[in-house]
Amino acid sequence: AQRVTQPEKLLSVFKGAPVELKCNYSYSGSPELFWYVQYSRQRLQLLLRHISRESIKGFTADLNKGETSFHLKKPFAQEEDSAMYYCALEPDTGGFKTIFGAGTRLFVKA
Amino acid sequence: GAVVSQHPSWVICKSGTSVKIECRSLDFQATTMFWYRQFPKQSLMLMATSNEGSKATYEQGVEKDKFLINHASLTLSTLTVTSAHPEDSSFYICSARDLDRESEAFFGQGTRLTVV
Repeated sequence: AQRVTQPEKLLSVFKGAPVELKCNYSYSGSPELFWYVQYSRQRLQLLLRHISRESIKGFTADLNKGETSFHLKKPFAQEEDSAMYYCALEPDTGGFKTIFGAGTRLFVKA
Repeated sequence: GAVVSQHPSWVICKSGTSVKIECRSLDFQATTMFWYRQFPKQSLMLMATSNEGSKATYEQGVEKDKFLINHASLTLSTLTVTSAHPEDSSFYICSARDLDRESEAFFGQGTRLTVV
């Protein structure tokens, strides 16, 4: 079964502290992995995708196929990073469907 | 980035009536649009995938006669909730992609449906 698991519903860190949002997936093929972010009162938007290997707003995510993980990391959290983060998977079978995790709310305290 | 507009943002309707939600891509042609449903504090659940000019593909467990999807043009898809019941109350979100350009998915702002 295709599944994306985000074990933490809420993550609270202090400003300047490192942050890691965990994501594990269950899929037998070679999926494409994404992180989406939803800031307060805004729509869902793409943060980064594993194939681009970019750092967006200081966030990075490395795909670990052995551990089937795609954790999102940032070395120094900022207050403006407070948002809802969704890890998502797109199967390699075509159709371009996106399967979302349950989401993790990140709260960065001053 | 590209803009996807969803209308209305919220709607309240009586049980038994039908409600139509529109999803428009404002500055690009969306070959494919996706409809999601989100329950409080839960993830987005894909309901169906619609391709312009063809019938929508529904996910398992989604009633196609209940949730009518039409993708008549490259910029508009509609979701009609027919004979709405209180359990249909939810947050509905659409996303649109131009697969010919392998673009990312762009999301609408969502529609809060409340059936009373």
